[in-house]
Amino acid sequence: GENVEQHPSTLSVQEGDSAVIKCTYSDSASNYFPWYKQELGKRPQLIIDIRSNVGEKKDQRIAVTLNKTAKHFSLHITETQPEDSAVYFCAAKDAGGTSYGKLTFGQGTILTVHP
Amino acid sequence: DAGVIQSPRHEVTEMGQEVTLRCKPISGHDYLFWYRQTMMRGLELLIYFNNNVPIDDSGMPEDRFSAKMPNASFSTLKIQPSEPRDSAVYFCASSVRNQPQHFGDGTRLSIL
Repeated sequence: GENVEQHPSTLSVQEGDSAVIKCTYSDSASNYFPWYKQELGKRPQLIIDIRSNVGEKKDQRIAVTLNKTAKHFSLHITETQPEDSAVYFCAAKDAGGTSYGKLTFGQGTILTVHP
Repeated sequence: DAGVIQSPRHEVTEMGQEVTLRCKPISGHDYLFWYRQTMMRGLELLIYFNNNVPIDDSGMPEDRFSAKMPNASFSTLKIQPSEPRDSAVYFCASSVRNQPQHFGDGTRLSIL
C-alpha cells in the first residue's frame, strides 16, 4: 500500500517568513494530493490540493508543487501570519483497485508562526 | 450544507462498555470514511464505504471494532468491549468520487 513521509515534524518561523513542508509518497499510481490544516481541537480542513496532471497550484499565499518523477510534493506558505499556526497534513490518494478513494496521510507538521 | 455531522462530540465511559459513534455524511456524497487520530499514530484510516458497502476495513484494529452503513445518510462505528487504548479522536469524513474529503468535527473518546 501507499506510504507517505512528511518533514519536518515541527517548524518554527517568524511572522512574514516563508514556510515549506515536504512529503514523499511510495505508490507511483497515486494521482491526488491534498493538504489539510488542523487547528487545535478542530477538524482537518482542506486548504489546497493538486492532481497528478499538474505540476504546481497556487491560491493566494499558499502553493503546492508536485514532482511525479521523484514522488514528492511540497506545501509553500509565504508571508506567514500567526493564524497560520496549526498542524498541517499531506496525503496521497490511491488511484485504483480496491483502494480507490483511500487517502494515506503523512504524520503531520506542527507549524508555529511567532509574531 | 450542514457538513458532516458526528455525535456525540465527547464520550467518557468505563472500560468494558460498548461505545457507538455516529456519522451523517454530506448529502449526495457516496464515500464515507472513519479515521482515528492519536498523538502516537497520527491520522489512521479505519474503514471506508462506497455506496454503503464497506470497501476496505484493513485499518480496523481488531474484532472489537465494527462499522455499518445501513443507508446513505448514516453510519456507525462500534467498539465492544472498549479498552483504555481506544481513547482517541474519531473522525468521520465523506466525499464524492474524485473530490476532496470533508471531515466532521470528530468524537473525543475517553475510556477510563
